[in-house]
Amino acid sequence: SQELEQSPQSLIVQEGKNLTINCTSSKTLYGLYWYKQKYGEGLIFLMMLQKGGEEKSHEKITAKLDEKKQQSSLHITASQPSHAGIYLCGATKLNDYKLSFGAGTTVTVRA
Amino acid sequence: NAGVTQTPKFQVLKTGQSMTLQCAQDMNHEYMSWYRQDPGMGLRLIHYSVGAGITDQGEVPNGYNVSRSTTEDFPLRLLSAAPSQTSVYFCASRITNWGEQTTEAFFGQGTRLTVV
Repeated sequence: SQELEQSPQSLIVQEGKNLTINCTSSKTLYGLYWYKQKYGEGLIFLMMLQKGGEEKSHEKITAKLDEKKQQSSLHITASQPSHAGIYLCGATKLNDYKLSFGAGTTVTVRA
Repeated sequence: NAGVTQTPKFQVLKTGQSMTLQCAQDMNHEYMSWYRQDPGMGLRLIHYSVGAGITDQGEVPNGYNVSRSTTEDFPLRLLSAAPSQTSVYFCASRITNWGEQTTEAFFGQGTRLTVV
């Protein structure tokens, strides 16, 4: 079983609209990672969060980690076809170097 | 730097055959790991290592063996392939800091394995 729950499992968004993906853990996280994957390809690193309340942005993508470090969200503003793919959240726990992932969220952007 | 290199990119095996998936990194990372990716399942951790001579099991270790004789290499062995092992396999590495900061994980391009 996977300890990281991602929601939604998939979503379809109209080009130009915003979208949000959530990643939740029942345990306090040490590091939270977001990766993107295009179908059949490797993983592209997006962002890494470690501090409670931390927020990072890159281009139109913003990721946040809540104060309790148990939930993260990934928000895409004004989505484009290039944002389509599978988004994966991964996390480590304190004193545990395993990096585990959620089941992923498949994003489809409709023109 | 080459980063994380996986070979082969594609492989077809017959049930019962054995093979080794190769993973090498040139970044002197202590931590290396193997994942399998199946539709709707995300990445599931098979085995990982925090340094040469040290390996441990992840979520789905059955049917797979690993060893870590050098910092650079972390091969994954399938002793007797089964159709359930048809999947895409990814190797990853990262620095394992014992301090406050956590670090990005670097991934290989994947090995697509089909067991018939």
